[in-house]
Amino acid sequence: DAGVIQSPRHEVTEMGQEVTLRCKPISGHNSLFWYRQTMMRGLELLIYFNNNVPIDDSGMPEDRFSAKMPNASFSTLKIQPSEPRDSAVYFCASSRGGRNEKLFFGSGTQLSVL
Amino acid sequence: LAKTTQPISMDSYEGQEVNITCSHNNIATNDYITWYQQFPSQGPRFIIQGYKTKVTNEVASLFIPADRKSSTLSLPRVSLSDTAVYYCLVVLYNQGGKLIFGQGTELSVKP
Repeated sequence: DAGVIQSPRHEVTEMGQEVTLRCKPISGHNSLFWYRQTMMRGLELLIYFNNNVPIDDSGMPEDRFSAKMPNASFSTLKIQPSEPRDSAVYFCASSRGGRNEKLFFGSGTQLSVL
Repeated sequence: LAKTTQPISMDSYEGQEVNITCSHNNIATNDYITWYQQFPSQGPRFIIQGYKTKVTNEVASLFIPADRKSSTLSLPRVSLSDTAVYYCLVVLYNQGGKLIFGQGTELSVKP
């Protein structure tokens, strides 16, 4: 199994540009999570899906952020327009979906907004 | 929401046993306690999970007292490669297994 696959690995963009981060969860996993990690705020849960349906997006910072999961094997996190304070590492994780199922994380996308 | 508190950092030497304690005073009846490990430039990795008493796997042990208001991750005979950040989390049962990460404990293992 290839694990959770995220792309791109690194993204450098200018303020105001649209940024799209991609995630392919582990096959057979029913839940998908997007986290953001910074030195100041640590790991923050942005949103999570269960069976492709968004369950809790209370962690999404503002309307500039949106996430979709059109099918069980793909999810995107979009920032439009991007701002320098969005610079962080964004992780995607998936699990089998049960309450006590462990999360498997991708390698993350290092986003730098100049 | 159940909130966890753990030391910001710890130092150890190779071959020692390391115990990291986490407090979670607001843990609910059905919540589980889970620990993750994170190396630089990588996503967190599951280490161990438990509900009560003691759980042991090939990597670590987890001790949970009867009141479940704290838990202790025990790493036997650490090596340099165990240098990482360790997160204690409570799996929020009434929120569908939502995982909230705290600040973690940065463990530094020295030769």
